[in-house]
Amino acid sequence: DIQMTQSPSSLSASVGDRVTITCRASQGIRNDLRWYQQKPGKAPKRLIYAASSLQSGVPSRFSGSGSGTEFTLTISSLQPEDFATYYCLQHNSYPRTFGQGTKVEIK
Amino acid sequence: EVQLVESGGGLVQPGGSLRLSCAASGFTFSSYGMNWVRQAPGKGLEWVAKIKQDGSEKYYVDSVKGRFTISRDNAKNSLYLQMNSLRAEDTAVYYCAGLHNDYWGQGTLVTVSS
Repeated sequence: DIQMTQSPSSLSASVGDRVTITCRASQGIRNDLRWYQQKPGKAPKRLIYAASSLQSGVPSRFSGSGSGTEFTLTISSLQPEDFATYYCLQHNSYPRTFGQGTKVEIK
Repeated sequence: EVQLVESGGGLVQPGGSLRLSCAASGFTFSSYGMNWVRQAPGKGLEWVAKIKQDGSEKYYVDSVKGRFTISRDNAKNSLYLQMNSLRAEDTAVYYCAGLHNDYWGQGTLVTVSS
């Protein structure tokens, strides 16, 4: 099974900050990686697919990069509505695996 | 409008069974693989199972193999998860999800407790 190691597990940031979240895969997964945002009590919402493609309707302050084993989600200027938990998901092989999540909190 | 509506969750004793259902509408259900994803209280997301469009292939996370069965009825636009030999660690909100298109239900809570 492919393990996805996501870091950090939580972070505190202020509105306007640049935020970076990393996912490392235990083996190469090409660009078969998605990023999700989840708010309390809600289903996840996809932000990025194919490691770096922005989902339609998602603000351009979100971006993804990486390929192989190392991936990054960047929020260029954190907005109040971005305080949430973020997850990566590999869909290169079964079982699909999520990262452990990164909770972005208000500083 | 795409809708995925789960049902069938509830309280069950350890060792018991439950069958979750997911009713799909607003898209061509038979054209897409479908998944179950769960989230234990206060924890992260865990992918549970996937079934291909025609039901010919099914995949599971190791922790549910032999206990859970995913199935679908394309004529009824419905997805199912039969859960047997339930354990306390299966307690979670279970989401029906079309991950390819980012379609998600609202989730149904399964609580395994005596």
